[in-house]
Amino acid sequence: DVKVTQSSRYLVKRTGEKVFLECVQDMDHENMFWYRQDPGLGLRLIYFSYDVKMKEKGDIPEGYSVSREKKERFSLILESASTNQTSMYLCASSLASSLTDTQYFGPGTRLTVL
Amino acid sequence: QKEVEQDPGPLSVPEGAIVSLNCTYSNSAFQYFMWYRQYSRKGPELLMYTYSSGNKEDGRFTAQVDKSSKYISLFIRDSQPSDSATYLCAMGGAAGNKLTFGGGTRVLVKP
Repeated sequence: DVKVTQSSRYLVKRTGEKVFLECVQDMDHENMFWYRQDPGLGLRLIYFSYDVKMKEKGDIPEGYSVSREKKERFSLILESASTNQTSMYLCASSLASSLTDTQYFGPGTRLTVL
Repeated sequence: QKEVEQDPGPLSVPEGAIVSLNCTYSNSAFQYFMWYRQYSRKGPELLMYTYSSGNKEDGRFTAQVDKSSKYISLFIRDSQPSDSATYLCAMGGAAGNKLTFGGGTRVLVKP
């Protein structure tokens, strides 16, 4: 079974802090994604990566950056956290770049920025 | 206006009833249509996907796509309490490999 793990289930940070969210997948998938999920807005894509050291902006990249130094690990970075970044963050991975390839999601990290 | 609209619910039904979920969308370039199920405190998991218009059945689940009306549906027959979850529609094919998600509909199946 594919397993996508995220470093924390719950995280509380203060405004202005630098925040790292880590995601690891164990199935040698090429693609990895970061979404945020807010009530009524569904999942919105922040960044994705097709390969190591490659990244592309999603729909809402402002205020975020990412890092993919190893194939299995994809990190989301909030350089200076703000209260409007309080959200549920979901990481996903998929085998290849075809849309019909299933995206497997992690359990999510609920981030609260005070 | 959102690109994909989905009623947030909650939709409450008795056990054994048919659950009917739907999404409407505005971008006619969407080619792939998916339904994800998300249990509380879990990540979404893919339930079904269909390509272009038509029906697809998998056990108790049936997905329908009507591209002419820009409308997709998911039906759950003989619903069970274990079907209680949030159901998200997702669409793609309009912009590379990105998916656009609806806001999700929360479903409660009461025993």
